[in-house]
Amino acid sequence: AQKITQTQPGMFVQEKEAVTLDCTYDTSDPSYGLFWYKQPSSGEMIFLIYQGSYDQQNATEGRYSLNFQKARKSANLVISASQLGDSAMYFCAMREPNFGNEKLTFGTGTRLTIIP
Amino acid sequence: GAVVSQHPSRVICKSGTSVKIECRSLDFQATTMFWYRQFPKKSLMLMATSNEGSKATYEQGVEKDKFLINHASLTLSTLTVTSAQPEDSSFYICSASPGFTGELFFGEGSRLTVL
Repeated sequence: AQKITQTQPGMFVQEKEAVTLDCTYDTSDPSYGLFWYKQPSSGEMIFLIYQGSYDQQNATEGRYSLNFQKARKSANLVISASQLGDSAMYFCAMREPNFGNEKLTFGTGTRLTIIP
Repeated sequence: GAVVSQHPSRVICKSGTSVKIECRSLDFQATTMFWYRQFPKKSLMLMATSNEGSKATYEQGVEKDKFLINHASLTLSTLTVTSAQPEDSSFYICSASPGFTGELFFGEGSRLTVL
């Protein structure tokens, strides 16, 4: 089974609209962390937001928020008031403890295109 | 925020040569660094976990003798692609964490093209 599933290979959104990028995960470990990264065409990976499995509140970072639904094992990224510069690949990732050597598993990514 | 730097950002080499890619944590110590490979328009694939002072842990299917990893200090890990072949052409990215703070920082990536 896939550990991280991103079901939207591509999305087109009008500028200034909000957008939700889906991510579901699978783990049996009670302690884990969820990440979202942005990868523009330059290739670098930019950290956006983090949610710990024990965090009580949904994480927020500026225009980014993470809609964490633990029972459903989903960690959707919400971008408010989208901008042209938000066009990029977005990856959801999960970090699990692995005998003290945590591993990070990535989803397949969603290509977001913001339309002017 | 923490900075991870990779060098070189682009490298072109002939088949059969070896190429070394460096990953440095500039403002923190990282006992563990990770090396990923990304194929065009694909997700990142974890290749190996680099541990300072010990042997790297490779993921299943990754050739240890092809991709040599050395983590000689708390701020530097290197990936050497030995006897590079055209199929090794890819985008290689490293990452490191200052600790279990919830953040992993990535290098800028290194684009390898083998002719």
